[in-house]
Amino acid sequence: EVQLLESGGDLLQPGGSLTLSCAASGFTFSNYAMSWVRQAPGKGLEWVSGISGSGDRTEYADSVKGRFTISRDNSKNTLNLQMNSLRAEDTAVYHCAKDQRMLVRGRDWYFDLWGRGTQVTVSS
Amino acid sequence: DIVMTQSPDSLAVSLGERATINCKSSQSVLYTSNNKNYLAWYQQKPGQPPKLLIYWASTRESGVPDRFSGSGSGTDFTLTINGLQAEDVAVYYCQQYYTTPFFGPGTKVDIK
Repeated sequence: EVQLLESGGDLLQPGGSLTLSCAASGFTFSNYAMSWVRQAPGKGLEWVSGISGSGDRTEYADSVKGRFTISRDNSKNTLNLQMNSLRAEDTAVYHCAKDQRMLVRGRDWYFDLWGRGTQVTVSS
Repeated sequence: DIVMTQSPDSLAVSLGERATINCKSSQSVLYTSNNKNYLAWYQQKPGQPPKLLIYWASTRESGVPDRFSGSGSGTDFTLTINGLQAEDVAVYYCQQYYTTPFFGPGTKVDIK
């Protein structure tokens, strides 16, 4: 079955760190760019970060640049998001999402497969 | 960033009637070298992740009912649902991918 399954969400204090993971199955993971998209409670979608299929290109939203690091392990079909210096405004459900097209070299990503997400809450 | 806006924020439509959602980008998302608009539409139902409906502004994703259609070019786009069904109650988002992805704020569709 084609699916994405996120894990790693937690409740933590401002300034803390956390790593999210996304396990992919049912498709050739290394052929597709992947992204993290978050959704704050009752709010809309915010793209956070993306990575090319080979892992050689990464992009970040300005709101997380310098604090978050995206990576992938194509041998384990896993996408990761290392989050440091967390703030209250980072509170959200974090979804991993797969680009629809194979072997996209640019950052023109749109998403045909989404995970259900993992909750990150930052609060003192 | 290319920022997206949507209108209306919400709308209520009778079953079987037409729903129209507008999306506007702060800059053109038409890439002239291939004449493609880098614009996608998603549907999100409560408690579910988003579902891709439309890409390249007007290409329907596989399995999406043909009552959903996308149109527009440059900076102005429309998602139309012809013959609204009860299962279409959801929030709809546009997203540009001309630069790093950016979503619109969403439009909530309900039954009148």
